[in-house]
Amino acid sequence: QKEVEQNSGPLSVPEGAIASLNCTYSDRGSQSFFWYRQYSGKSPELIMFIYSNGDKEDGRFTAQLNKASQYVSLLIRDSQPSDSATYLCAVKGSQGNLIFGKGTKLSVKP
Amino acid sequence: DTGVSQDPRHKITKRGQNVTFRCDPISEHNRLYWYRQTLGQGPEFLTYFQNEAQLEKSRLLSDRFSAERPKGSFSTLEIQRTEQGDSAMYLCASSGGIKKGTQYFGPGTRLTVL
Repeated sequence: QKEVEQNSGPLSVPEGAIASLNCTYSDRGSQSFFWYRQYSGKSPELIMFIYSNGDKEDGRFTAQLNKASQYVSLLIRDSQPSDSATYLCAVKGSQGNLIFGKGTKLSVKP
Repeated sequence: DTGVSQDPRHKITKRGQNVTFRCDPISEHNRLYWYRQTLGQGPEFLTYFQNEAQLEKSRLLSDRFSAERPKGSFSTLEIQRTEQGDSAMYLCASSGGIKKGTQYFGPGTRLTVL
């Protein structure tokens, strides 16, 4: 059974700081990794995807992938109160479905 | 707005009743997925379609659940004889086109079974 593990948090950071969200996965053969943001009562919203080892940057967001360690992370620079949400890490399964972690709740304090 | 729509957005029903949800994917997307999400959990995969063919069903999809995607366009998810444990957010996602590996979620249907 493929698994995705995330610290449920809450992770609290001050406004303007860097928020670091982490995720580990069990299937060494996994190839595609996704980060979604979910506001309370809303559906998941795609932030980034990453397929290759290393870093991928998009604005204030950086995704990092280390396949040897089976570890994916998301860095949010210059965190804003509007970034307060639950961040879901997902790995693509063999049928193309996404396998999600339970999510990490982020709180950015003004 | 991702372009994926779901209807209804909220449904309250009594235990034992049947309910049906609809999902309209992004028009050029050939893959459509259904997930269920309960409080404090990530979405869990239920089933998916490629065009009109249902290619995979999770063990979570009991025989009270059925999904269809006639003509490869919209999809419906029906739950028969609802139970209180069916209360959840039901999410639809679609993928295809240029970014075929990326799934975009609809707003979800929140089901409450009394």
